Amino acid sequence: GAGVSQSPSNKVTEKGKDVELRCDPISGHTALYWYRQSLGQGLEFLIYFQGNSAPDKSGLPSDRFSAERTGGSVSTLTIQRTQQEDSAVYLCASSLNWGGTEAFFGQGTRLTVV
Amino acid sequence: GIQVEQSPPDLILQEGANSTLRCNFSDSVNNLQWFHQNPWGQLINLFYIPSGTKQNGRLSATTVATERYSLLYISSSQTTDSGVYFCAAFPFSSGSARQLTFGSGTQLTVLP
Repeated sequence: GAGVSQSPSNKVTEKGKDVELRCDPISGHTALYWYRQSLGQGLEFLIYFQGNSAPDKSGLPSDRFSAERTGGSVSTLTIQRTQQEDSAVYLCASSLNWGGTEAFFGQGTRLTVV
Repeated sequence: GIQVEQSPPDLILQEGANSTLRCNFSDSVNNLQWFHQNPWGQLINLFYIPSGTKQNGRLSATTVATERYSLLYISSSQTTDSGVYFCAAFPFSSGSARQLTFGSGTQLTVLP
């Protein structure tokens, strides 16, 4: 596609429910990042997929968070048993390869846990 | 991992003024990017500049890789320039965690 696409744009969920956030990277981009941005804060790194290599999961805040990337393209970030502190904007980015090429961001998914 | 520090944290300008934003990073980099986050939260790519100087209209950026800093210049600022400016760095060295790390941002407010 023309850019990084994320869905849904907004998600309101009840505490304790599971949610899935989707990211469609730019076609041909092999590297994909997930970040979280709480209100008024900076970007917190979550996970980084580097082509066919094992992903860098060092930023995932707890075992309730997981992510997968199917077929080297679409990625899904799953949050289980959501908590109110999970409320944030979740941003996805892709880049051509894993060596630090220019990254482009989607519009984000605003998650609200009530 | 690599440390990225931005200054100043906040900047208030009158329309038409010039400004300089700074980004310091703690390791050699493969990638240094500047982004503008607009009021709707979208991150807009300004510059991909691991080294050297680039210009785009009223904005320009310089990265001095050997001294591990980058500068973003905004000239003749407009109210639409308001928002948060982030720099982000991807380390060159395999000794650092190889991921795109963001600074904490500079909140720019341009007054009419």
